[in-house]
Amino acid sequence: GQQVMQIPQYQHVQEGEDFTTYCNSSTTLSNIQWYKQRPGGHPVFLIQLVKSGEVKKQKRLTFQFGEAKKNSSLHITATQTTDVGTYFCSTGNQFYFGTGTSLTVIP
Amino acid sequence: DAGVIQSPRHEVTEMGQEVTLRCKPISGHDYLFWYRQTMMRGLELLIYFNNNVPIDDSGMPEDRFSAKMPNASFSTLKIQPSEPRDSAVYFCASSYRIYGYTFGSGTRLTVV
Repeated sequence: GQQVMQIPQYQHVQEGEDFTTYCNSSTTLSNIQWYKQRPGGHPVFLIQLVKSGEVKKQKRLTFQFGEAKKNSSLHITATQTTDVGTYFCSTGNQFYFGTGTSLTVIP
Repeated sequence: DAGVIQSPRHEVTEMGQEVTLRCKPISGHDYLFWYRQTMMRGLELLIYFNNNVPIDDSGMPEDRFSAKMPNASFSTLKIQPSEPRDSAVYFCASSYRIYGYTFGSGTRLTVV
């Protein structure tokens, strides 16, 4: 089945530092989606990327889709305590979720 | 819209008992998914429906699990008989044309 790996598995940052999580697929993806799950909550859809090399921004969050459409990244600038949670990538219409990156922000 | 509604929120049952989880998707959504989340295995796709028809149930662990979607506004996931290893959070999600899933709040199942 579809293999989607995310690194790192865990990340602790000081508030104000930047954070990046990477999603890597063994096969070419038609699109990729990103979700955020707060502790004790459910995944919440953030964004979908479709085009090779696509870059999208949401305030302090920057999402990128690789040129080969096999990898993607989520970058958060100047983290805040509200960014705490686990970030998942999902293989769009293959419906698989990555292993997730758990972000802890230290005030 | 109230979003995807799942019930119950928590379920504690004894091994061997039947468990039924329920889901009401968002009106107008044509896809419905059942996922299971555990620390060890992450988010696993169990089954998904398109226009009420099961499309892929290859993620269903074994014959003890079954899912139905009798109409566009209701789906169930049944485990019979339940086992302790089935303990997990079960999420239902729906979407329109696969663009971004909306998840329910989940059912935390504990089998003792």
